[in-house]
Amino acid sequence: DSGVTQTPKHLITATGQRVTLRCSPRSGDLSVYWYQQSLDQGLQFLIHYYNGEERAKGNILERFSAQQFPDLHSELNLSSLELGDSALYFCASSDPSESIHYGYTFGSGTRLTVV
Amino acid sequence: AQKVTQAQTEISVVEKEDVTLDCVYETRDTTYYLFWYKQPPSGELVFLIRRNSFDEQNEISGRYSWNFQKSTSSFNFTITASQVVDSAVYFCALSEGETGANNLFFGTGTRLTVIP
Repeated sequence: DSGVTQTPKHLITATGQRVTLRCSPRSGDLSVYWYQQSLDQGLQFLIHYYNGEERAKGNILERFSAQQFPDLHSELNLSSLELGDSALYFCASSDPSESIHYGYTFGSGTRLTVV
Repeated sequence: AQKVTQAQTEISVVEKEDVTLDCVYETRDTTYYLFWYKQPPSGELVFLIRRNSFDEQNEISGRYSWNFQKSTSSFNFTITASQVVDSAVYFCALSEGETGANNLFFGTGTRLTVIP
């Protein structure tokens, strides 16, 4: 168990629908990152939140949004889903104040299948 | 712009052979961090190592070793005496900035298959 919890593990939904993916970071970690892993795009950074505030955006579609709550858990909202949104979505957490040998800790991912 | 290249898409080796996975990176920052992650068939991403741009010392951890060479912008990963459990996709990644807490840019991964 990495300490980063993602729910649900699997999600199957129809095109046009909206889903919410949830991430609870490691205890004490203030940063949450979302990544998308798809067959054609590989592993891509979507968005970074630090202590409730958006810090950086990557290749995140306008149909996607995220937020980090006061308890530091984060949610990634995907709307108007398309077949191409089928992917493994990872959440990672980190705390910059940690040892320089510390690496980002990833959750086990949510596999989204859009049918 | 930052970029991570893993030219080897797939590698197959016979158990107990040594294997090296290549990683070449591009960045304009003078401070950056390099990572290797393992993704076994179960799908999770497992952290293996993080190295900052000011530390070119090679590292060895059991059967794993890493060779960081700034002169060639490479951060190669060697598995000695490979085992079937090493079969996975391995990703090299780059994070720019001083804290290393910025987002990761991943290479496309190398799928390693160790044949018993």
